[in-house]
Amino acid sequence: DIQMTQSPPTLSASVGDRVTITCRASQTITTWLAWYQQKSGEAPKVLIYKASSLQSGVPSRFSGSGSGTEFSLTIRSLQPDDIATYFCQQYSNYPYTFGQGTKVEI
Amino acid sequence: QVQLVQSGSELKKPGASVKISCKVSGYRFTSYAMNWVRQAPGQGLDWVGGISTNSGSPTFAPGFTGRFVFSLDTSLSTTYLQISDLTPEDTAVYYCARHYNGLDVWGQGTAVVVSS
Repeated sequence: DIQMTQSPPTLSASVGDRVTITCRASQTITTWLAWYQQKSGEAPKVLIYKASSLQSGVPSRFSGSGSGTEFSLTIRSLQPDDIATYFCQQYSNYPYTFGQGTKVEI
Repeated sequence: QVQLVQSGSELKKPGASVKISCKVSGYRFTSYAMNWVRQAPGQGLDWVGGISTNSGSPTFAPGFTGRFVFSLDTSLSTTYLQISDLTPEDTAVYYCARHYNGLDVWGQGTAVVVSS
């Protein structure tokens, strides 16, 4: 199975900060990676797919980059509405696997 | 619009079975595979597996084989997850999610509580 290692587990930042979350795959997944945002009590929502493609309707302050085994999600200017837990997921090989999550606090 | 609507919360005793439904609307049911994701209380996301809505062929993650079964009713545009021989460790919210551009549309989740 492909292991997804996400860091940091928790991130505390201020409104307006640039925030970066990283995700490392245990083997290459080319660009078959998605990022999700999950707010408390809600279902996850896809932000980024194919490593760097922004899902329709997602604010442009979110961006994704990387390929192979190293990936990152960046929030250009953190907003109060961005308080959530963020997960990466590889969908290159079965079983699809998620990172452990990063909780973003303000 | 595209929607996945899941069945309601379940309270089950250990050893019982549960069957969760996920009804889709707003797109052709057979166009996309359906995945299932588990989230135990306070925990992260676990990929349970997925099913081709064309062929009905399932794929399960290790740890979700044997007691977990996917099924389809194409006439109702509905996918099902059945879990047998429930234990308290199965207590979680189970989500269905459409497999397109990652998992692009999610159901609202079904809470399953297993307690004697």
